[in-house]
Amino acid sequence: RKEVEQDPGPFNVPEGATVAFNCTYSNSASQSFFWYRQDCRKEPKLLMSVYSSGNEDGRFTAQLNRASQYISLLIRDSKLSDSATYLCVVNAGYSTLTFGKGTMLLVSP
Amino acid sequence: DAGITQSPRHKVTETGTPVTLRCHQTENHRYMYWYRQDPGHGLRLIHYSYGVKDTDKGEVSDGYSVSRSKTEDFLLTLESATSSQTSVYFCAISESTPYQAGNTEAFFGQGTRLTVV
Repeated sequence: RKEVEQDPGPFNVPEGATVAFNCTYSNSASQSFFWYRQDCRKEPKLLMSVYSSGNEDGRFTAQLNRASQYISLLIRDSKLSDSATYLCVVNAGYSTLTFGKGTMLLVSP
Repeated sequence: DAGITQSPRHKVTETGTPVTLRCHQTENHRYMYWYRQDPGHGLRLIHYSYGVKDTDKGEVSDGYSVSRSKTEDFLLTLESATSSQTSVYFCAISESTPYQAGNTEAFFGQGTRLTVV
């Protein structure tokens, strides 16, 4: 089983839509969780950390379910500029991170 | 944006030649990482460093070596390049690790596109 699994997509949605991505992780000892965003041919950038109680940043909401070992990202009121690949990231041991392969989102006018 | 630069940005090299990629940071962050990104595999860790002269292997370290003689520089060397090492290489830095207090965000360089022919 892969350490961090994501649906590769693409998810095609119209502007204004709400879209949700899920991610599962295999290491039950993982403590830190993140969503990164990567635009085409660019470097990944942190979108948001994911906290146990869930957290929100504007149109973005992240949730963590430790019992089921999955993380979710909800994007409300999608914008064209949200088109990107979203990477689920989980800590792998003390010093390193494990990245999922990413979920591609395409927002159309 | 975090002060992290990779050089070169693009390189074409021949099979069997040694290649060195450089990552330079101006943030004085302790942790530095080298990843490769390939279609169908996502980002995979090659090597990382947790201080000057302190390095460790990642999941795909075979055929690669690293050195960190100064806080600001982390070098990745392909000892004898092979076509399977054609990839996009990303360097990343972080102030602390997921288990430590403080800012654990990883900042990435713009990447080096390496082609081995």
